[in-house]
Amino acid sequence: DTAVSQTPKYLVTQMGNDKSIKCEQNLGHDTMYWYKQDSKKFLKIMFSYNNKELIINETVPNRFSPKSPDKAHLNLHINSLELGDSAVYFCASSQDGPGGRNGYTFGSGTRLTVV
Amino acid sequence: AQSVTQLGSHVSVSEGALVLLRCNYSSSVPPYLFWYVQYPNQGLQLLLKYTTGATLVKGINGFEAEFKKSETSFHLTKPSAHMSDAAEYFCAVSANTGNQFYFGTGTSLTVIP
Repeated sequence: DTAVSQTPKYLVTQMGNDKSIKCEQNLGHDTMYWYKQDSKKFLKIMFSYNNKELIINETVPNRFSPKSPDKAHLNLHINSLELGDSAVYFCASSQDGPGGRNGYTFGSGTRLTVV
Repeated sequence: AQSVTQLGSHVSVSEGALVLLRCNYSSSVPPYLFWYVQYPNQGLQLLLKYTTGATLVKGINGFEAEFKKSETSFHLTKPSAHMSDAAEYFCAVSANTGNQFYFGTGTSLTVIP
């Protein structure tokens, strides 16, 4: 069983479209995250939820909206996609909060290409 | 506030040679330190971590790292590189005083046959 699973793995879409990426974890973790990895491999935190409550909301365009229906799921919806949104998006989860000692478990990523 | 610096965005070693990837951190409190590996087209996988106790920590795939408080370093080493070690390596730091977990900018390891 995959611990943190994201779908889809690849997403190619046109500028202006709206798309969603889904994430589910079966680890029983309380905290989930979305990260963006750019072409230089730099990882940037976007959002974090703890037990369905938003706890980290970095400077991200408001076209990006996270939704956590329950603590095992954290989805990312992106409106009006732009070329600059092309990146790999990673979902992650942790047993304790962002500053905890256990580190994060990552999904395998969603490669988003906006054309 | 915490931050992480990885010296050398690209490191090349010959197969069988020592791997040394450098990580320095700044933290106002005792940190938790991590190394992650990212193989091509995959997610990040935890290699090892330091929380408390023994300062030399061993991880998967023969990697180890040593926490040196006086040098604020947590360098990653492996005695003998394999071709399969070619990947991106990320150092990370967190401290249980805030909602933050900082990644370094990554080091790409190339192993030359």
